[in-house]
Amino acid sequence: EDQVTQSPEALRLQEGESSSLNCSYTVSGLRGLFWYRQDPGKGPEFLFTLYSAGEEKEKERLKATLTKKESFLHITAPKPEDSATYLCAVQATGGFKTIFGAGTRLFVKA
Amino acid sequence: DSGVTQTPKHLITATGQRVTLRCSPRSGDLSVYWYQQSLDQGLQFLIQYYNGEERAKGNILERFSAQQFPDLHSELNLSSLELGDSALYFCASSAKDRRLTDTQYFGPGTRLTVL
Repeated sequence: EDQVTQSPEALRLQEGESSSLNCSYTVSGLRGLFWYRQDPGKGPEFLFTLYSAGEEKEKERLKATLTKKESFLHITAPKPEDSATYLCAVQATGGFKTIFGAGTRLFVKA
Repeated sequence: DSGVTQTPKHLITATGQRVTLRCSPRSGDLSVYWYQQSLDQGLQFLIQYYNGEERAKGNILERFSAQQFPDLHSELNLSSLELGDSALYFCASSAKDRRLTDTQYFGPGTRLTVL
């Protein structure tokens, strides 16, 4: 069965303290892995799509990487405005569903 | 702004009632998805439509139904509402990219409160 597990559930950082969020996945074949940012009461905001192991993408303080079993979202020198829930999702080959993880809630303190 | 619009933003109604949520996808997107997100819960996939046809079904209750119209907008109908149906309802749309992957873009959501 296709699964997505995100860890940790919550992460508290000081401003400037770099860290990583983990997304472990199990799919028969990967068509794409997605990262989203969600602020409270708002719709998820698309960040990245990764397609194959070894791929990396960057946007401002965020960098997403992908292996055959997991993806990391690295946050470099975070700021309080980076506080949000970060969602990981996968789309498998041979189907139409996108499976979302439960998310990691990130709190960055000034 | 993702380009996906949803109306209304807020909806307050009573148990037993029926409501309709509306979604307009991004220009050119043929796929529409509906999700439910209860307080502090993850996104629960409800249903997907592609160019007017149902493509995938998730944990959608029998009291809920959806459709996608020829102009590609979609409506989610919720009937015999219960207190537990109070949640944020999100619509997303997608188009296949050059790798045949559907990246979903989400609307701002409709917050439903059932009293």
